Amino acid sequence: AQSVAQPEDQVNVAEGNPLTVKCTYSVSGNPYLFWYVQYPNRGLQFLLKYITGDNLVKGSYGFEAEFNKSQTSFHLKKPSALVSDSALYFCAVSQRDKAGGGADGLTFGKGTHLIIQP
Amino acid sequence: KAGVTQTPRYLIKTRGQQVTLSCSPISGHRSVSWYQQTPGQGLQFLFEYFSETQRNKGNFPGRFSGRQFSNSRSEMNVSTLELGDSALYLCASSFFGISYEQYFGPGTRLTVT
Repeated sequence: AQSVAQPEDQVNVAEGNPLTVKCTYSVSGNPYLFWYVQYPNRGLQFLLKYITGDNLVKGSYGFEAEFNKSQTSFHLKKPSALVSDSALYFCAVSQRDKAGGGADGLTFGKGTHLIIQP
Repeated sequence: KAGVTQTPRYLIKTRGQQVTLSCSPISGHRSVSWYQQTPGQGLQFLFEYFSETQRNKGNFPGRFSGRQFSNSRSEMNVSTLELGDSALYLCASSFFGISYEQYFGPGTRLTVT
């Protein structure tokens, strides 16, 4: 079975500082990895994905994520945080080797509340 | 381009009843997947339909079922409702499937009393 761990329920960052939201995963075979963001009253939105290739993936709103196979991690980063980045962030994984994303579907972490303080 | 729509947005049902939720994907998307979101369990994958066929299924009991129509619209059915089924049910659509960018609807808030 596949799983995702987001070890921090909440991350607090001052505006203008760099931010990191941590994610580690477990999956049989090679992973597809995703970050989604849920803003209050705005639903879940896709941020970025890793499928193959460059370990540093760039996404929407200036976010990026670094895939580290040896540490089975996919941490979300942004060089300079904005107050508007405050939201709930989800990391997700599916198995790359099977058509349609794998027998176990898409597995999400519990989510990390990111709070950017002015 | 219209987004993913879900109906109804809010629903209150009684234990033992059944419920059907509807999802209309973005035009051209062939994959529709369903998720249950609760404070305790977080976001959990229910199942994915692609071109009218169930392609992936999460670890939920058989009371949870779904289907997809030829126009890609999807319905999810929950029979014999339990209090623990109270949740936000999210639908997402994608052109290729769950291993690619998905677009989520606003969800249906189901309350079971």
